[in-house]
Amino acid sequence: KAGVTQTPRYLIKTRGQQVTLSCSPISGHRSVSWYQQTPGQGLQFLFEYFSETQRNKGNFPGRFSGRQFSNSRSEMNVSTLELGDSALYLCASSFDFRGGTGELFFGEGSRLTVL
Amino acid sequence: AQSVTQLGSHVSVSEGALVLLRCNYSSSVPPYLFWYVQYPNQGLQLLLKYTTGATLVKGINGFEAEFKKSETSFHLTKPSAHMSDAAEYFCAVTGQVGSGYSTLTFGKGTMLLVSP
Repeated sequence: KAGVTQTPRYLIKTRGQQVTLSCSPISGHRSVSWYQQTPGQGLQFLFEYFSETQRNKGNFPGRFSGRQFSNSRSEMNVSTLELGDSALYLCASSFDFRGGTGELFFGEGSRLTVL
Repeated sequence: AQSVTQLGSHVSVSEGALVLLRCNYSSSVPPYLFWYVQYPNQGLQLLLKYTTGATLVKGINGFEAEFKKSETSFHLTKPSAHMSDAAEYFCAVTGQVGSGYSTLTFGKGTMLLVSP
């Protein structure tokens, strides 16, 4: 069974640009979560989608957005990039993550560098 | 609200020595607790989890953790460290079904260094 696939793995952008990251969950998983990982703040929850609906959202500005498609694939977008957006963005999928009943399976992440 | 505190950003052990990584949590609802491991340039992999039932939980690669409600702790241990255990370890908490919590709150992580 293929794991969670994130593309691209590495990318470099400049301030003010926007970026779109993609995540393909494990086949059959309907929940996709996104996390931002930085050395200073650690792992922070961005949002979670289930059956194309955003079910939960973390404390990030509106520049961070996401969506989920009918095949459960998900994208996240960051507009007007800032230097502080440089991070590893991790996607995780689950059959239905509610209260920890479903294990989260993580992808290898997309490492974004903003210059 | 929930929070996780991992004591020690770095822990160094010798190969063959006991590994002890500390995790304390704060939760207003009965928690589900997790330990994840992250190797360089990779995502997170679940080591073990506590949901309900037995408080001593065994995971992969010889790791285990014990849920102690009175101490609000979920420390990770391994009797004998191996070089391949060198990685960053994250403790995480969420709420049980119906608690309203459906996301993971992670600790800051502990880097485990293993010397020959």
